[in-house]
Amino acid sequence: IVLTQSPGTLSLSPGERATLSCRASQSVSTNNLAWYQRKPGQAPRLLIFGASSRAAGIPDRFIAGGSGTDFTLTISSLEPEDFAVYYCQHFGTSPPMYTFGQGTKVEIK
Amino acid sequence: VQVVQSGAEVKKPGESLRISCRTSGYSFSVYWISWVRLTPEKGLEWVGRIDPHDSYINYSPSFQGHVITSVDKSINTAYLRWRSLKASDTAIYYCAVPADDSGYFHVFWGQGTRVTVSS
Repeated sequence: IVLTQSPGTLSLSPGERATLSCRASQSVSTNNLAWYQRKPGQAPRLLIFGASSRAAGIPDRFIAGGSGTDFTLTISSLEPEDFAVYYCQHFGTSPPMYTFGQGTKVEIK
Repeated sequence: VQVVQSGAEVKKPGESLRISCRTSGYSFSVYWISWVRLTPEKGLEWVGRIDPHDSYINYSPSFQGHVITSVDKSINTAYLRWRSLKASDTAIYYCAVPADDSGYFHVFWGQGTRVTVSS
C-alpha cells in the first residue's frame, strides 16, 4: 500500500484552518490508520489512531476522519506550536509492515 | 514509559555500527519495538520491528539484508546494526513502541540517533 499526502506544503497563518489529505493506493481499514506530528529536533508524536481517535493529550482542534482510501486531518485553528510536518501511517498485516506517507509541511505564511 | 537511544554516530562507508534503544516503565517483552528512519528526502520510513518475547522479526523489504535488529532482554534494550555502512544510511533513526495490543501505531518514541556516514 502506498500513502500519498497532499499538499506537500501548506502555508497558513495562525488562526487559520489546515486541511491535510492522505490517500491510500487501495482501501484500508480505519483501525490501521494513524497520524503523527513531527517538529524539528523532536521525535514524531502520535496525534490520531484508528483514523479518527485523538491520542492522549491531543487538543480537540485536531480532527481526523475518512474511510476507504481517503483520510483527512484538519487543524481547526492553527496555534503557533502546530507548525510542523504531519505524516499519515498505515499498518498492513500481510505481510506485517508500516507505511508512511511522504509528509505535509505546515509552515507559517 | 521511557525510550532512550544511544548518541549520535559519525562513521565512514564500509564501517560497522550498532545503535541501541533502552526502554523502561513497562514489561519489555510485551510490545514489539520498531525502528524508523527519517531523511529529508523521504521523510519517515519503517525499517523493521522485533518481538522482544521471542526475537521474531519483520523487516521492510527496503531494508531487508542491510540491517539487523536484536534485543537483550536482560537489560531491556533493542539494537539496530549495520555490517557495512553506506553514505545513503545517513539519517536519524528512531525506535518506537506501540504500547497498545493492536500494534497498529506507535505511542512512545526514542529521541532519535543521528547517524552520519561520510568519507
